[in-house]
Amino acid sequence: EVQLVESGGDLVQPGRSLRLSCATSGFTFTRYAMHWVRQAPGKGLEWVSSVDWNSGYMGYADSVKGRFSISRDNAKNSLYLQMNSLRPEDTALYYCAGGRNQQLYFFNIWGRGTLVNVSS
Amino acid sequence: DIAMTQSPDSLAVSLGERATINCKSSQSVLFRSNDKNYLAWYQQKSGQPPKLLIYWASTRESGVPGRFSGSGSGTDFSLTISSLQAEDVAIYYCQQYYSSPWTFGQGTKVEI
Repeated sequence: EVQLVESGGDLVQPGRSLRLSCATSGFTFTRYAMHWVRQAPGKGLEWVSSVDWNSGYMGYADSVKGRFSISRDNAKNSLYLQMNSLRPEDTALYYCAGGRNQQLYFFNIWGRGTLVNVSS
Repeated sequence: DIAMTQSPDSLAVSLGERATINCKSSQSVLFRSNDKNYLAWYQQKSGQPPKLLIYWASTRESGVPGRFSGSGSGTDFSLTISSLQAEDVAIYYCQQYYSSPWTFGQGTKVEI
């Protein structure tokens, strides 16, 4: 069974940092590009960041560029998102998602998300 | 950035009837060299993560029921549910992947 399990979400003050993790199982991790997509409470979907299978490519939305850093550990079948200088507008449910056949374009598999709340 | 606009914002359809959701991009997402439209559709049920339904504008993801179909090209696309079932109640999103940043439509809520 394909599983993506996010963790690390928390209530954090503006300006602080947080590291999200996504543990995966049930599929060949290196055959997937991996992504973070977020959803603010009651709002739509926003792509945040992507990394290709061997970390040769990393992309970011302008809203997080310079503050967030995506990484993956293929030996641990895990994806990460280091979030620095957090802002209230970063408050959202953060989904880990995978693109089959290493494609970076769309999201075939999803986790259930981890909630980040940035508030003083 | 490419803006994606869906219509309507919500629609109510009777069981067994057809539901059509429209998605318009602010610029063409058709890549001429391979004649592919870089557009996907997702379904998000209440309290659940999104689920990929359609990619390349009209290719159904494995396991997605045949009543879901995608069409369109260039800037105008549609997702059609040919015979609405109770389990299809959800919010539906289109997404372009023609150029980064990948962007989503605002969502269309489908109700019975």
